Amino acid sequence: DTEVTQTPKHLVMGMTNKKSLKCEQHMGHRAMYWYKQKAKKPPELMFVYSYEKLSINESVPSRFSPECPNSSLLNLHLHALQPEDSALYLCASSQERLSNQPQHFGDGTRLSIL
Amino acid sequence: DQQVKQNSPSLSVQEGRISILNCDYTNSMFDYFLWYKKYPAEGPTFLISISSIKDKNEDGRFTVFLNKSAKHLSLHIVPSQPGDSAVYFCAAKGDKAAGNKLTFGGGTRVLVKP
Repeated sequence: DTEVTQTPKHLVMGMTNKKSLKCEQHMGHRAMYWYKQKAKKPPELMFVYSYEKLSINESVPSRFSPECPNSSLLNLHLHALQPEDSALYLCASSQERLSNQPQHFGDGTRLSIL
Repeated sequence: DQQVKQNSPSLSVQEGRISILNCDYTNSMFDYFLWYKKYPAEGPTFLISISSIKDKNEDGRFTVFLNKSAKHLSLHIVPSQPGDSAVYFCAAKGDKAAGNKLTFGGGTRVLVKP
């Protein structure tokens, strides 16, 4: 069982819709991450939050908007996405961003843009 | 420019035998290395890690070897079991100047035959 929970598991949306992906962890981790994974490719980092503050934005288009309401929750708000944004979106957490501790991943949200 | 490479996209091994997965990297500033296993429709699961100050770390059936001079690490699974069939990603963590980000290899698909 994964200790990082992502909802929903699947999401189909049109290019004009607004939706949000949610991620929750209760391991007391202070770093949380969003990754995008396309088929047969490794995960690509999108955003990093450390102590609820955005630390890294990997030049992600503004149609993706992250939010960290508290230390256990991480959201990814989606608006006006493109078909090429269809992918598996993974959330991860680790004890702290700078420490040599593994990141633990959720099972992801599979997003399809019509 | 791929900083972490897994040159074997797939590996087939008989149950009970050893699986050896290889990973090469180019950035000498990487200081922490990890292996993840991924089943279809699930997120990556952390397997084992090694700090750059060590050359070997063992956990049950899994052993990771690090050769810093060759910028090479490997994962040994012995004995291999059918449940080990999955895609395996190696990952490397950069230093503070690189934002301590994880860089993933392209993955190796392992098939363990009964």
